[in-house]
Amino acid sequence: DTAVSQTPKYLVTQMGNDKSIKCEQNLGHDTMYWYKQDSKKFLKIMFSYNNKELIINETVPNRFSPKSPDKAHLNLHINSLELGDSAVYFCASSPSQGAGEKLFFGSGTQLSVL
Amino acid sequence: QQQVKQSPQSLIVQKGGISIINCAYENTAFDYFPWYQQFPGKGPALLIAIRPDVSEKKEGRFTISFNKSAKQFSLHIMDSQPGDSATYFCAASRGSNYQLIWGAGTKLIIKP
Repeated sequence: DTAVSQTPKYLVTQMGNDKSIKCEQNLGHDTMYWYKQDSKKFLKIMFSYNNKELIINETVPNRFSPKSPDKAHLNLHINSLELGDSAVYFCASSPSQGAGEKLFFGSGTQLSVL
Repeated sequence: QQQVKQSPQSLIVQKGGISIINCAYENTAFDYFPWYQQFPGKGPALLIAIRPDVSEKKEGRFTISFNKSAKQFSLHIMDSQPGDSATYFCAASRGSNYQLIWGAGTKLIIKP
């Protein structure tokens, strides 16, 4: 069983479309995250949820909207996709929101906006 | 002051050699320093981590050296193997409820 699973693995879409990425963790963790990794491999946190409550919301365009229906799921919806949104998006989880906690990452969703 | 500066950006090492990746930070409040390893097509995975109460931590071929006064920490991979070829990220954080601050990553290639 994959600990943190996200779908789809690849997402190719046109500018202006709306798309969603889903994430589920079966580790029983309280905290989940969305990270963006650009073409230079730089990792940037976007959002963090603890027990379904938003705790970190970095400077991200409001076209990005996370949703956590329960503490095992954190989905990312992106409206009006732009070329600059092309990146790999990683979902991650940790036992709690303490920064000293080990992060468990999914395998990523490679988003290509054409 | 929130940055973590990682070097080099890329590194090529012969099989059996020692790979060394360095990170420097400014914020003296940081108290947790992990290293993550990322293979192509996968997410980063925690490799090893250290807290500032020790100067060195070793796990198998991987060692973190920590220099509190210089505000630097480094990852040493002994007897580097082709399977170690990956991107390595250092990070730092302080206390609870604070996010990790990530280095820019080092692409390591081990030549057979």
